[in-house]
Amino acid sequence: DGGITQSPKYLFRKEGQNVTLSCEQNLNHDAMYWYRQDPGQGLRLIYYSQIVNDFQKGDIAEGYSVSREKKESFPLTVTSAQKNPTAFYLCASRRGASGQGARDTQYFGPGTRLTVL
Amino acid sequence: QKEVEQDPGPLSVPEGAIVSLNCTYSNSAFQYFMWYRQYSRKGPELLMYTYSSGNKEDGRFTAQVDKSSKYISLFIRDSQPSDSATYLCAMREGGSEKLVFGKGTKLTVNP
Repeated sequence: DGGITQSPKYLFRKEGQNVTLSCEQNLNHDAMYWYRQDPGQGLRLIYYSQIVNDFQKGDIAEGYSVSREKKESFPLTVTSAQKNPTAFYLCASRRGASGQGARDTQYFGPGTRLTVL
Repeated sequence: QKEVEQDPGPLSVPEGAIVSLNCTYSNSAFQYFMWYRQYSRKGPELLMYTYSSGNKEDGRFTAQVDKSSKYISLFIRDSQPSDSATYLCAMREGGSEKLVFGKGTKLTVNP
């Protein structure tokens, strides 16, 4: 099956700990994204990557870090510097950097719910 | 003024009703418009995709874009309980990587 997988589904973190959320896609998509979703806030972009070994900050990158060493993988680390990390984290991917059509829009994984204890 | 405005609802309708969901936006450079459906505790799934102005129909769903009014709509005909979800509008400028999302409208279709 082609798709985007995120793990774990639920994650609990103690204050002061760094945690890494996994995102893998086997769609051969070039671009990958991380969003954060809070109740009543909609989706906010954390980081995105258009190609391997390159990524850009989104609107709320502070306290987060990413890497893109492989085309199919885009892990997100939530660091202890993130003041309010409890949220639903969504990874997405898109086929190409330009173009039109529904195939060229973003498709989402199932999400990881992070709770800080 | 926020870049994308979407009424959060909640919206509750009886089964079989026609549902109208809407978003307004302020950025005239938006060219690509999407509707995503998100079930509780799941990732959003793409429902409709429209480029520029016009209508697009897919089964019971119709998406409309009115760029002159900066207004997009999603219509659901013969609504079903399985349509109960949060609907997110999203849009982006041509050549931009960034999708801008509305906050979502929570819809409940009652049997």
